[in-house]
Amino acid sequence: DTAVSQTPKYLVTQMGNDKSIKCEQNLGHDTMYWYKQDSKKFLKIMFSYNNKELIINETVPNRFSPKSPDKAHLNLHINSLELGDSAVYFCASSQGDRGHTEAFFGQGTRLTVV
Amino acid sequence: AQTVTQSQPEMSVQEAETVTLSCTYDTSENNYYLFWYKQPPSRQMILVIRQEAYKQQNATENRFSVNFQKAAKSFSLKISDSQLGDTAMYFCAFILNTGTASKLTFGTGTRLQVTL
Repeated sequence: DTAVSQTPKYLVTQMGNDKSIKCEQNLGHDTMYWYKQDSKKFLKIMFSYNNKELIINETVPNRFSPKSPDKAHLNLHINSLELGDSAVYFCASSQGDRGHTEAFFGQGTRLTVV
Repeated sequence: AQTVTQSQPEMSVQEAETVTLSCTYDTSENNYYLFWYKQPPSRQMILVIRQEAYKQQNATENRFSVNFQKAAKSFSLKISDSQLGDTAMYFCAFILNTGTASKLTFGTGTRLQVTL
């Protein structure tokens, strides 16, 4: 009974391609996030959405475009993939209200650009 | 801006022993939460323990406990009776309690190896 699930778990693609990662949560949370973990294991937020509305957009290239069709889904589309995009991408969700700030993470998507 | 610092890139502990992982943070805010997350080789991010800044009492979860020193902005994790399954990366994280615009800020992690 997965709480936050992302697909695919692994993605290998060539430079210049366009790819998407999908994320779904069944926790009833209002807020969803995308985090990037680089090769040195450093985790940094990319985006957050609350009830389908973009709340946080850190300095991420325009090639990255999140889309939230409803509050249970937050997908990440990446255009014109570059070698430097290789990383693990985590989707997460939280209730977002004051006092309910734990983030629950998906299992991550390891993206390898060759 | 908030920052989180973990000064121990790697640590090792023998099974059944106790180990403490350090974390310091910097913020000018007063209302926030702190977390320790565990990332085993499976890559899954698992919440270990959480601490509300307004609570003076240190949080505990079974073998895991924290030493929260608000004035010193320190938040260390103590693992008692270490088990082989505790081998993982451990991340300290900070979040402001501001509702929907909150985001987790992570430290750089400490790789913990539990040995026989």
